[in-house]
Amino acid sequence: DAGVTQSPTHLIKTRGQQVTLRCSPKSGHDTVSWYQQALGQGPQFIFQYYEEEERQRGNFPDRFSGHQFPNYSSELNVNALLLGDSALYLCASSLKGVSLGEQFFGPGTRLTVL
Amino acid sequence: AQSVTQLGSHVSVSEGALVLLRCNYSSSVPPYLFWYVQYPNQGLQLLLKYTSAATLVKGINGFEAEFKKSETSFHLTKPSAHMSDAAEYFCAVSDQSNTGKLIFGQGTTLQVKP
Repeated sequence: DAGVTQSPTHLIKTRGQQVTLRCSPKSGHDTVSWYQQALGQGPQFIFQYYEEEERQRGNFPDRFSGHQFPNYSSELNVNALLLGDSALYLCASSLKGVSLGEQFFGPGTRLTVL
Repeated sequence: AQSVTQLGSHVSVSEGALVLLRCNYSSSVPPYLFWYVQYPNQGLQLLLKYTSAATLVKGINGFEAEFKKSETSFHLTKPSAHMSDAAEYFCAVSDQSNTGKLIFGQGTTLQVKP
């Protein structure tokens, strides 16, 4: 049973560029959430996708956008990158109505913005 | 609004000693509570969760936590620390609407000395 997978593992971009991160949820899960974890901090909720729609959003600018595909996989897009966007981006999956809040996390994508 | 406070960003114990990591939460609705562990350069792994059943929750690797509503606490303990327990620990809260959004604390780094 494959867990949550994310790609790429590491990414280096320069300011102003755009980036796309990808996530495949745990088998059987239908909900994907994205978190940003800055160095030395706890993860911060970016948004959650269910049934291909954004259902909840944290306090992030609209430079951060996402998408969920029919197979439940998801993408996180960040436009006009800033130095402060450097972080570990974590994807988490769950099963709506069943998971009781529990989420399964992927290994993350380390984004460095120069 | 919900929030989590982890008291002590760094905790150091000797191998074999008691581990106590403190977490206090704020929630206007009955919460679900979680402890996650993060090893260097990895994602988050669930240690244990409280979902309004038993107040004393047992998790993996010998960890347990007790939900105390009167103290709004959910402290993590382990009777005897092992070198492999050295990691970053995060307490998180979710509301029981099962939206799946997790609010994390800042994390506590556990150091285990030989």
